[in-house]
Amino acid sequence: EDKVVQSPLSLVVHEGDTVTLNCSYEVTNFRSLLWYKQEKKAPTFLFMLTSSGIEKKSGRLSSILDKKELFSILNITATQTGDSAIYLCAVEPPRGAQKLVFGQGTRLTINP
Amino acid sequence: DTAVSQTPKYLVTQMGNDKSIKCEQNLGHDTMYWYKQDSKKFLKIMFSYNNKELIINETVPNRFSPKSPDKAHLNLHINSLELGDSAVYFCASSHGTGNTQYFGPGTRLLVL
Repeated sequence: EDKVVQSPLSLVVHEGDTVTLNCSYEVTNFRSLLWYKQEKKAPTFLFMLTSSGIEKKSGRLSSILDKKELFSILNITATQTGDSAIYLCAVEPPRGAQKLVFGQGTRLTINP
Repeated sequence: DTAVSQTPKYLVTQMGNDKSIKCEQNLGHDTMYWYKQDSKKFLKIMFSYNNKELIINETVPNRFSPKSPDKAHLNLHINSLELGDSAVYFCASSHGTGNTQYFGPGTRLLVL
């Protein structure tokens, strides 16, 4: 059965700190891994990763995928209170399934 | 197993038909959601129910009607299906709003 596990489940840091969120997966014939930021309503899309070792960057956020070790990390540098959210990792199984398998999320709290 | 489950997992139907997708959660959550996943992997919220009451109703055609018979179930009925309704529909649940949402496995709908 396909499985996505995120850690930690909860993280509280001070503004300005750097955080690393982890996502490991057990998905056969994996296609892509996605990161979402969930605030009040629907999760918003952050990154899609398909190739191992290539970092994707968007401002203070970056993410990288390791297909050999089956995990991804999401880094946030110089955190701000607006980064407080739940971060969801999801994996896309093989072509044709076109569905996502979600992890349980990491609740990140940034204190001023 | 404690989880969010959806039925069916796959649904292929003709244009003009009426179909329903069912969602059940046994996590004891009081809030449930329906999302539509578009081709770019964005999750668009459609509806949300809290304690069987509708709290989010985004701009969706009125051919889509959610029904929550109890806190553990949120079904989605679609009338007069159109080609553009083809997508993956995700159900999710949470304890209250603003907390981690646990996603179901998705229902892949294909309208021919």
